[in-house]
Amino acid sequence: GQQLNQSPQSMFIQEGEDVSMNCTSSSIFNTWLWYKQDPGEGPVLLIALYKAGELTSNGRLTAQFGITRKDSFLNISASIPSDVGIYFCAGQRYNTDKLIFGTGTRLQVFP
Amino acid sequence: NAGVTQTPKFQVLKTGQSMTLQCAQDMNHEYMSWYRQDPGMGLRLIHYSVGAGITDQGEVPNGYNVSRSTTEDFPLRLLSAAPSQTSVYFCASSTPITGELFFGEGSRLTVL
Repeated sequence: GQQLNQSPQSMFIQEGEDVSMNCTSSSIFNTWLWYKQDPGEGPVLLIALYKAGELTSNGRLTAQFGITRKDSFLNISASIPSDVGIYFCAGQRYNTDKLIFGTGTRLQVFP
Repeated sequence: NAGVTQTPKFQVLKTGQSMTLQCAQDMNHEYMSWYRQDPGMGLRLIHYSVGAGITDQGEVPNGYNVSRSTTEDFPLRLLSAAPSQTSVYFCASSTPITGELFFGEGSRLTVL
């Protein structure tokens, strides 16, 4: 089935560093979302994007809806230990109910 | 607020056994879905429902059944468990076509 390609698969960074991850697809999506999953819990929505080219921030997090509608990017600035977790992108096509998730980026932050 | 509640949180089954994972939401959401999460595979959609009485297949529906008799409940049934169904299962709900899914805490299933 259709899945979104997320990269990198995992990241090991030092506290204070900036982080960038992206999500790509061969198909066009009308909505892009970014979720974070803490260990032992379900994913929680971080940012939702509804328009091509849109750039949206949520605190230290910034996400962009790619202009081609086939990709999206998430940046985390000045990482802190509580940023540890798995980050998922998710896309929804026009006039469908299904939300398709990426394979996830596992982030580790070292003090 | 309870949000999305899944039970059980942990379950061990033998191959061939059947069981039902329960999911209930108290947010009056019309859309509900089940995902499975496996290492390196992300979240894959099993079945979903856009309202009571309506269900549809996702990416990986084989071996699973669902029903939606009420807005609140969306149980997932494994008819004859197989080791390949060992996974963490998440139920999620949302308001119509916003994409902003609210997830339960997950149910970890092991099939021996």
